[in-house]
Formats: sequence, structure tokens, C-alpha cells
Amino acid sequence: AQSVAQPEDQVNVAEGNPLTVKCTYSVSGNPYLFWYVQYPNRGLQFLLKYITGDNLVKGSYGFEAEFNKSQTSFHLKKPSALVSDSALYFCAVRAALYNQAGTALIFGKGTTLSVSS
Amino acid sequence: NAGVTQTPKFQVLKTGQSMTLQCAQDMNHEYMSWYRQDPGMGLRLIHYSVGAGITDQGEVPNGYNVSRSTTEDFPLRLLSAAPSQTSVYFCASSQDGSGGYTFGSGTRLTVV
Repeated sequence: AQSVAQPEDQVNVAEGNPLTVKCTYSVSGNPYLFWYVQYPNRGLQFLLKYITGDNLVKGSYGFEAEFNKSQTSFHLKKPSALVSDSALYFCAVRAALYNQAGTALIFGKGTTLSVSS
Repeated sequence: NAGVTQTPKFQVLKTGQSMTLQCAQDMNHEYMSWYRQDPGMGLRLIHYSVGAGITDQGEVPNGYNVSRSTTEDFPLRLLSAAPSQTSVYFCASSQDGSGGYTFGSGTRLTVV
């Protein structure tokens, strides 16, 4: 079954420290992987994606993610956290679906990032 | 460029009522999806479409119908609202599924 797991409901980090939000996936074939961020009472904003190429992907707002095929992981990272990074983060994988030759995103349950000043 | 527009933003329904959540995109995207977001559950796929006239069920389709008569519009219909359908609903679109999806700002639905 195709799935995404975010093992941590919440990650707490002090401002200025590095942060990591973890994601593992299970999908058939080559994975297309995404990270999205959601601020309170807002929709989801695209941060970055991995399709192919360099295992370290750089995205918006200084975030990056490392793809590890052997560990089936796609962890989100930032070298120095900001209080304004506090939000809900979702990992997603493009999954081939069901009865049609199409795809949609399958999401993890989300990780709340809290950055303290 | 409006992106993905969802209406209404808020709605309160009584159990048994029906309604349609509207979703429109102006980016000529082929792929469109509906998700519901519930606390601790992440986003769960309700229905999706890969082009006009083509729709299919996602993870949690029961109680919902969709149609895709045009590329731009992908309405979600609740046939007979139930309290379990209280949620925040998001519509998303993508050109071909390989890039990022663009999300609407959501519809917060309460069924009493």
C-alpha cells in the first residue's frame, strides 16, 4: 500500500538551532515527494519537491530536504530555525491511483513545528 | 491570476441537508483533487480527476459525489450531510501531477 508516515506529531526547537522534520514513505516505483506547510487557518503552501537528481533538494524559505532511497526517507531540514517557521508541515508522495491512469498526492498526518524564541 | 478558488469559506448545515462545495482554477490544470482535513488525520483524499469527464474515488469517498464537466471546475457534492462530515475541505490542482499541487484556501464545514 502507498503511504506516508510522519513519526512525530510535534517538533520543538529553539530559534537559531537546526531543525529536522521526519518523513518516511512507501510507494511503488520511483517516488515523487513533496513538503507543504500550513499556517493557522490557511491553505497549504508548497515548499519543495523531489522527483529525480540530487538527493538534497532546496526549497522556499531556506528549507531543504534530503532524499534517502535506502531508508525510504525524505526529511525536511533547516540550518537555523525562525519563530516564524512555526506551523504544520506535511509530507506527501505522488501515488498512482486506483482505477484510473492518474495520480494524486497522499499525505502524512502532519508534524507541528514549534520554534521558541 | 486567482489560482484555486473555493467557495464558500464557511458553511453550517443541518444533518440530512445537501450542498455543493465549489472549486475553480484558472491555470488550465488537468489534475484536480478534493481533500478533507481532520485533526490528527492529515489530509485524506476524497475524489480526484485527471481531466474533464474523468473522475475517480480516493480514500474516503462515501457520502460525496463529484463531476468534472469543464477543465476549470470540480465541484464536490454532499448528498445528505452527516456530523461525521464536519471538516475542512481543500481543493487542489496540478498540471500533470509531477509538480507541486496548488491548494485553495479551504471550506470549513460544520454539520449539526
